[in-house]
Amino acid sequence: DGGITQSPKYLFRKEGQNVTLSCEQNLNHDAMYWYRQDPGQGLRLIYYSQIVNDFQKGDIAEGYSVSREKKESFPLTVTSAQKNPTAFYLCASRDRANEKLFFGSGTQLSVL
Amino acid sequence: KNEVEQSPQNLTAQEGEFITINCSYSVGISALHWLQQHPGGGIVSLFMLSSGKKKHGRLIATINIQEKHSSLHITASHPRDSAVYICAVRYSGAGSYQLTFGKGTKLSVIP
Repeated sequence: DGGITQSPKYLFRKEGQNVTLSCEQNLNHDAMYWYRQDPGQGLRLIYYSQIVNDFQKGDIAEGYSVSREKKESFPLTVTSAQKNPTAFYLCASRDRANEKLFFGSGTQLSVL
Repeated sequence: KNEVEQSPQNLTAQEGEFITINCSYSVGISALHWLQQHPGGGIVSLFMLSSGKKKHGRLIATINIQEKHSSLHITASHPRDSAVYICAVRYSGAGSYQLTFGKGTKLSVIP
């Protein structure tokens, strides 16, 4: 089955700690995205990547970092500089042929 | 700032009712998406529209470009339709397929 896999489903961060959220896809999509969802708010774009070894900042990139070393993988690191990291994080990819979006099941990040 | 407004914010319906969820946006767009977010958090793409109307099963999505408005209709609603429905738009001229999302409409269908 093709799709996007995010892990872990739940993650806890201690103060001063960096944590990495995994996003893997087997859909052969070039474009991948990381979004943050807060209660009562619309999804906000953190980072996106159009192709391997290239990525761009979204609207709320401060305190986050990404890499795109392989087409299948687009991990997100939440650094200690992100002072309010508690949120639901969603990874997505886009099929350029029909513009359809595919989402992972999300990671809930909480601060200990 | 370009906004996407959805209404209603919350909606409770009896099983079998016809449901309409609305989405309005502020300036010209090149694409509009309707998404469904299940209680577990996963999101599924329902439709992508740039004009007219699309239908899939009991779901119908329409868009009126002149009025900057889209609607998602659910016919013969069922409890399994209970979810948050999200509208997202790509504004014309937006780079690299960046989307602006509405806050979502939470639908509860009661048996």
